[in-house]
Amino acid sequence: KAGVTQTPRYLIKTRGQQVTLSCSPISGHRSVSWYQQTPGQGLQFLFEYFSETQRNKGNFPGRFSGRQFSNSRSEMNVSTLELGDSALYLCASSLRQGAYEQYFGPGTRLTVT
Amino acid sequence: QKEVEQDPGPLSVPEGAIVSLNCTYSNSAFQYFMWYRQYSRKGPELLMYTYSSGNKEDGRFTAQVDKSSKYISLFIRDSQPSDSATYLCAFPRGPARQLTFGSGTQLTVLP
Repeated sequence: KAGVTQTPRYLIKTRGQQVTLSCSPISGHRSVSWYQQTPGQGLQFLFEYFSETQRNKGNFPGRFSGRQFSNSRSEMNVSTLELGDSALYLCASSLRQGAYEQYFGPGTRLTVT
Repeated sequence: QKEVEQDPGPLSVPEGAIVSLNCTYSNSAFQYFMWYRQYSRKGPELLMYTYSSGNKEDGRFTAQVDKSSKYISLFIRDSQPSDSATYLCAFPRGPARQLTFGSGTQLTVLP
C-alpha cells in the first residue's frame, strides 16, 4: 500500500507570497492532519480535516488554512508568507478521526526568502 | 513550563549498547504515550504506543511509562547503526488525537 505523499517536496517562496501544499493520504484513510516542524518550536499541530471539514485547529494565525476534498486529499495554504514560516510541513493520515495511529508523509520543505 | 520535556541529546553510543531515551510531561490529561522515529529528510514514523503504566516490548524496543511520575522512556537494546535517527515522544489528545511532541533526541549509533 502506498504511503502518504506530499507535493512538492521542496519550495522556495518570497516574503509576502502565498503557497499551497498538497497531501494525498494512504488509500482508505479519511482523516488528515497537518503539522509544522521548525528547529526552534519542534513539531506543532496546525489542523485536522475529516469528511471535508476542519475538525480541530492549532494555535496558528488565520494565514494558515486548508481544505479536504471528497477523495480525502488535502491542501494547505499559507498566505502573506513571512520569514518565520520557513519550515518542514508534514501531513499525517489516519483511518478515521480519533485513530491513534497516524502515518506521516515525507513533508514539504518551505523556504521563505 | 513546557507540557513536554525531552532530553535533547545529541546522544552517541557504540553499536550494541542499550539506549535510554526519556520524556517528562506535565499534563495529567495525557493518557496515551507514543514514540516516533524520524530519519533525516523523512517524516516521523510511529514506533510504539501504549496507554498503561509499565513496560511494553516490541522486539529490541521497550516503552516504559510511569504515570505517577509523569515520565516515559524508550529503551533500545542491541542498538544498530540503522537506529541512528531522531526520536520523538508524543502525546495524543482531543478527538483528533492531535499530537504534542517532545523536542526530539538525536541518536547516533557508531559501528
